[in-house]
Amino acid sequence: AQTVTQSQPEMSVQEAETVTLSCTYDTSESDYYLFWYKQPPSRQMILVIRQEAYKQQNATENRFSVNFQKAAKSFSLKISDSQLGDAAMYFCAYWETSGSRLTFGEGTQLTVNP
Amino acid sequence: GAGVSQSPSNKVTEKGKDVELRCDPISGHTALYWYRQRLGQGLEFLIYFQGNSAPDKSGLPSDRFSAERTGESVSTLTIQRTQQEDSAVYLCASSSWAVTTNEKLFFGSGTQLSVL
Repeated sequence: AQTVTQSQPEMSVQEAETVTLSCTYDTSESDYYLFWYKQPPSRQMILVIRQEAYKQQNATENRFSVNFQKAAKSFSLKISDSQLGDAAMYFCAYWETSGSRLTFGEGTQLTVNP
Repeated sequence: GAGVSQSPSNKVTEKGKDVELRCDPISGHTALYWYRQRLGQGLEFLIYFQGNSAPDKSGLPSDRFSAERTGESVSTLTIQRTQQEDSAVYLCASSSWAVTTNEKLFFGSGTQLSVL
């Protein structure tokens, strides 16, 4: 079974600074997708960024970018110019193309200090 | 509707009672998922519906849990004889197709279930 591991239960960053959230996963598949989701106190999961495993280029979405290391099975999220609104729980998730579900990590609680 | 709607937002029940949680997916979305999120933890897959195909029930933790969906409409998750360990947020998500395309899962705001 695929597993997703987030080794940082909590992280904090100063406003306007950069922070990196870590994620590793375990799979024997070669074709899959990886995601980062944000969950604010409202509980609704918001997709932050998506990476296809067959693409070597790292995905970017404005201030959010990933460092995808396929051989190391690592998928970290970098948030640049952190804003107070970035404070939330962040979940890394894995989707196998032959499967039908997202597998989530345990989450990292990000605090942004003014 | 504009998004995935779940009701009730919060539910408090007594141990041993049955509860029903409702999910209204985005109109036209064929796929619907239920996840459970215990306090401070990640999301656990419960069940997946895709159109009129047989649902994938492999994540249901016990036979006290069941879910129904008629076609591409509303889904209900039923928990019978609730136990304290059932206390969690139950999240529903829908998508127009498998996530292997440009589609993505759209999540509701969940139902917070508290079993006393």
